[in-house]
Amino acid sequence: QVQLQESGPGLVKSSGTLSLTCAVSGDSISSSHWWNWVRQTPEKGLEWIGEIFHSGSTNFVPSLKGRITLSVDKPQNQFSLKLSSVTAADTAVYYCARALLGGGLLDYWGQGILVTVSS
Amino acid sequence: EIVLTQSPATLSLSPGERATLSCRASQSVGSYLGWYQQKPGQAPRLLIYDASNRATGIPARFSGSGSGTDFTLTISSLEPEDFAVYYCQQRGTWPRTFGQGTKVERK
Repeated sequence: QVQLQESGPGLVKSSGTLSLTCAVSGDSISSSHWWNWVRQTPEKGLEWIGEIFHSGSTNFVPSLKGRITLSVDKPQNQFSLKLSSVTAADTAVYYCARALLGGGLLDYWGQGILVTVSS
Repeated sequence: EIVLTQSPATLSLSPGERATLSCRASQSVGSYLGWYQQKPGQAPRLLIYDASNRATGIPARFSGSGSGTDFTLTISSLEPEDFAVYYCQQRGTWPRTFGQGTKVERK
């Protein structure tokens, strides 16, 4: 059974960096799946943030380019998100998720973590 | 970026009724569209991938159809556990995008 679990601070100061990690069990981070981040707010709904392959290849939503870094930690079987220069608009529930083979659609999700950006 | 527009925003139905949800893309995504169900406090759950394929463990009452820009999710006979919010998502191009959701509520 594949499981994903997000972890990280629930509160980040404005202009700081949001850092989250997603621990994967039941599958290898080096498998043929892409690993994704999605966030959700009541105002904007679900927003795909980006994805990473174990090789280090990435794709991001254009609106976050320049602020986002994705990385993979193979020994720990986890992947991470860093979002810099955060504002209140980055307050959201953040999910990590695995994409189906072929990419794009997300078959396993973490439970989500609420990150609040405070001023 | 491809915009997905879902309709209606809310669908008020009773158990046993048929639900028909629509997702329209601003440009063709081929068959690269999926549907998710989300209940309060939970992550989305993949129901349908690539327009018409049920994901693992999804009951047969859920079906998807469409291609290009127009897609439909049908729940043939609503069970009590089906009252939730449903989202479509495209994987035809980057960035991946989601629709704004359709809430299926109990009448």
